[in-house]
Amino acid sequence: EVQLVESGGALVQPGGSLRLSCAASGFTFDRQAMTWVRQAPGKGLEWVSVISVSGGVTYYADSVKGRFTISRDNSKNTVYLQMNSLRADDTAVYYCAKAPGGVVVTSCDDWGQGTLVTVYS
Amino acid sequence: QSALTQPASVSGSPGQSITISCTGSSSDVGAYDYVSWYQQHPGKAPKVMIYDVSDRPSGVSNRFSGSKSGNTASLTISGLLAEDEADYYCSSYTSSHTLVFGGGTKLTVL
Repeated sequence: EVQLVESGGALVQPGGSLRLSCAASGFTFDRQAMTWVRQAPGKGLEWVSVISVSGGVTYYADSVKGRFTISRDNSKNTVYLQMNSLRADDTAVYYCAKAPGGVVVTSCDDWGQGTLVTVYS
Repeated sequence: QSALTQPASVSGSPGQSITISCTGSSSDVGAYDYVSWYQQHPGKAPKVMIYDVSDRPSGVSNRFSGSKSGNTASLTISGLLAEDEADYYCSSYTSSHTLVFGGGTKLTVL
């Protein structure tokens, strides 16, 4: 059974930084691209970023480009999202998801339960 | 990348069929057969119901079906059940190698 467990969500002030983690199990981690999706309170889903199996290819939404960095450690079956220069509109539940392929994300096959990031002043 | 366009809400009675549309552009929905549909109940994580336009993951009821014509994809739910009441989102792969979601549709089972 695929399991994705996010952690690291917290309250943070504008301009601050946070690193989210997503621990994966139940599948061959180093064969799947991984992605982050967020959902602001009461709003819809917004795709954030994807990382290829090797970590050598990454893509970002324009709204986070230059501020967020996705990475992965295949030895730990974990994907990360480093978030810098946080703004109020980054407040959301952040979901980790597994993509069906190895490089890009064409769909989100399995999802974690999410971790809440709140940016407040 | 602009969000895909979905109706804000749809409704239907138990046993009926409903269809939710998802309109994009020639850079996403129209360009690739990589449209997915997700169901999200309140307070829960999304769950994929359809991927690659019309494929169903194992365990998803065959009451859920997907299709695409040009820049518009559609999700049809037949034989509506009370448990189908949820928010539904479409997504599409894009020519920028990103993923774009629709704004979401709230399905009410009357």
